[in-house]
Amino acid sequence: GNSVTQMEGPVTLSEEAFLTINCTYTATGYPSLFWYVQYPGEGLQLLLKATKADDKGSNKGFEATYRKETTSFHLEKGSVQVSDSAVYFCALSVSSGQNFVFGPGTRLSVLP
Amino acid sequence: DGGITQSPKYLFRKEGQNVTLSCEQNLNHDAMYWYRQDPGQGLRLIYYSQIVNDFQKGDIAEGYSVSREKKESFPLTVTSAQKNPTAFYLCASSRTGDTASYGYTFGSGTRLTVV
Repeated sequence: GNSVTQMEGPVTLSEEAFLTINCTYTATGYPSLFWYVQYPGEGLQLLLKATKADDKGSNKGFEATYRKETTSFHLEKGSVQVSDSAVYFCALSVSSGQNFVFGPGTRLSVLP
Repeated sequence: DGGITQSPKYLFRKEGQNVTLSCEQNLNHDAMYWYRQDPGQGLRLIYYSQIVNDFQKGDIAEGYSVSREKKESFPLTVTSAQKNPTAFYLCASSRTGDTASYGYTFGSGTRLTVV
């Protein structure tokens, strides 16, 4: 079946540090991959996406590249800010499927 | 602007009472979903609907019920049969058959507390 694995959190970084949150997936077919962000007390917001291999999604300084050979979609940001503190969810969708598959989420705390 | 509205944002319920959470969208999406999120946990699918007057159970449907009488609305009822209803509830919607391109759109959630 389809599944998403994310690195365990929480991740704690100092402001301006480099961020990587690992995400790997298992899927039948050719999935689209997504990163969602959830700020405290809020719903999930789409952060970025990639719909085919080697695509790079980017938004608000965050980037992730769809790597089919390693079945990965790692989230990166060169310099995090306190305002980036949130929970990040990796997810996939297969075009023939009915629902998303979400990873468990990774909590990021950025300290000033 | 189009979006999903969940209400209320905070809800308190006495044990043994049913309570209904509202979810309305004006995105013209066919599919709608309800998720439950517990503190420090991921998302668990309760129910989903891909078309008016039809819905399917998700992974944790016991103790919950839904209806889909209108395309825009997908209310969730938490019944007294739900053993541990205190949680954060998220509603989402998507275009049927196009989830892989556009993903889901989420509401801002309802936090339900049983007192």
